[in-house]
Amino acid sequence: AQTVTQSQPEMSVQEAETVTLSCTYDTSESDYYLFWYKQPPSRQMILVIRQEAYKQQNATENRFSVNFQKAAKSFSLKISDSQLGDAAMYFCAYVLVGGSEKLVFGKGTKLTVNP
Amino acid sequence: EAGVTQSPTHLIKTRGQQATLRCSPISGHTSVYWYQQALGLGLQFLLWYDEGEERNRGNFPPRFSGRQFPNYSSELNVNALELEDSALYLCASRWDRAGSNTEAFFGQGTRLTVV
Repeated sequence: AQTVTQSQPEMSVQEAETVTLSCTYDTSESDYYLFWYKQPPSRQMILVIRQEAYKQQNATENRFSVNFQKAAKSFSLKISDSQLGDAAMYFCAYVLVGGSEKLVFGKGTKLTVNP
Repeated sequence: EAGVTQSPTHLIKTRGQQATLRCSPISGHTSVYWYQQALGLGLQFLLWYDEGEERNRGNFPPRFSGRQFPNYSSELNVNALELEDSALYLCASRWDRAGSNTEAFFGQGTRLTVV
């Protein structure tokens, strides 16, 4: 079964500090995309960052970066210089290229940013 | 450009009734995904439509059904509502082409409450 595991139900970080959210996934396929989505209290799911599995270079988007370890099937999200607006639920997800192409999500990590 | 829109925002139904949820994808997107987000369970994949056809469905009973119209908008129907169907229902659209790395864009969801 295709699964995504986020082992940290909740995390907290001090404003301006760095936090890393963990994600592991399970697929026997080799071609897929990985995503981190953010869901603030407004409920709107917003894409934070994406990674193509065939790329070895870790994706970076401003203060957000990932540590992609394909062999270990690990895809962690690092948030640098945390801001109050980063407080939200964060979901890790992947989609296979070809085939069903359904997005598979983890259960999420609730991030609290303390002033 | 308009994003993914869902209606209604909130819906209250009694047990045994039917609920109809609607989703309009981003213009040009042909794929629509439906997810159920119950408290503490993350996002559970319900249905995926592309080009008017159902491509995949999640592990939900047949009383969850839907369709996609020629304009790519979609409807999710839930028959014989049960209390545990209470959840946030999220719709996402995506430009689905083989090898594409486009992410899914989400609507703000319909909060279904079954009493």
